[in-house]
Amino acid sequence: GQNIDQPTEMTATEGAIVQINCTYQTSGFNGLFWYQQHAGEAPTFLSYNVLDGLEEKGRFSSFLSRSKGYSYLLLKELQMKDSASYLCAPWSSGAGSYQLTFGKGTKLSVIP
Amino acid sequence: DGGITQSPKYLFRKEGQNVTLSCEQNLNHDAMYWYRQDPGQGLRLIYYSQIVNDFQKGDIAEGYSVSREKKESFPLTVTSAQKNPTAFYLCASSKGSAGVGEQYFGPGTRLTVT
Repeated sequence: GQNIDQPTEMTATEGAIVQINCTYQTSGFNGLFWYQQHAGEAPTFLSYNVLDGLEEKGRFSSFLSRSKGYSYLLLKELQMKDSASYLCAPWSSGAGSYQLTFGKGTKLSVIP
Repeated sequence: DGGITQSPKYLFRKEGQNVTLSCEQNLNHDAMYWYRQDPGQGLRLIYYSQIVNDFQKGDIAEGYSVSREKKESFPLTVTSAQKNPTAFYLCASSKGSAGVGEQYFGPGTRLTVT
C-alpha cells in the first residue's frame, strides 16, 4: 500500500502565501497529483508532477522530490475562494495494475 | 458541454437492498473509476476500468460490483453485502490508461442506507 501524510488543517490570511506539504511512501512511483475539493463538491485537478522540481501554474505551484518522497503545493496571493481541502495523490503501477491513493486532505481556511 | 454526470445526487435506501449508482461521461475517456469518501477520510478506490468489458478491483471492492458495457457508462452497484454503504460516491474518468493523466470527477452521489 501507500502511506501519505499531510497536515489535517491550516489557516492563512487573505493575500498571503501558504505551503501545504505531503510526504508519501510507495513502490513503483510514477507521479503525484494535487486536487482541490470544496466542501460537499467533487475534487478538481490542480497539478501533476512526474519529474523533480517545481511546476508553476498561475497562483498555484507544486514541487516534487522523488528521492525524498516529498511534495508541496504552494498557493500565492490567497483568496477567500481558496478555502477548501487539498488532496495529495501519488500514483504507482506494477504487475499490470495501477494504484492511485488520495491522502486525507489538508483543510485550508483563508481568513480576512 | 463535455463532462461526467452522476445521478441521483442524493439516494436513500433501506438496509438489505441493492442499489445502483449511475455514471456517464461524454469526454471519450478510456478509463473510469469509482471512489468512496467518508467524513474526514481521503478518497478510496472501489473499482476502475481501463477499457470496455474490463474492470479491476481497487482497495475496497468488497460488497460492490460494476459493469462496463459501453465506453460512456460505468454503473456501480452497492450490494447488501457492503457493511457500511452510507458514504459520498464519486465517479471519475481519465484519458488514456488508468492512472495516467488527470481525472475528471462527477458531482457525486450521497447514499444513505438506514
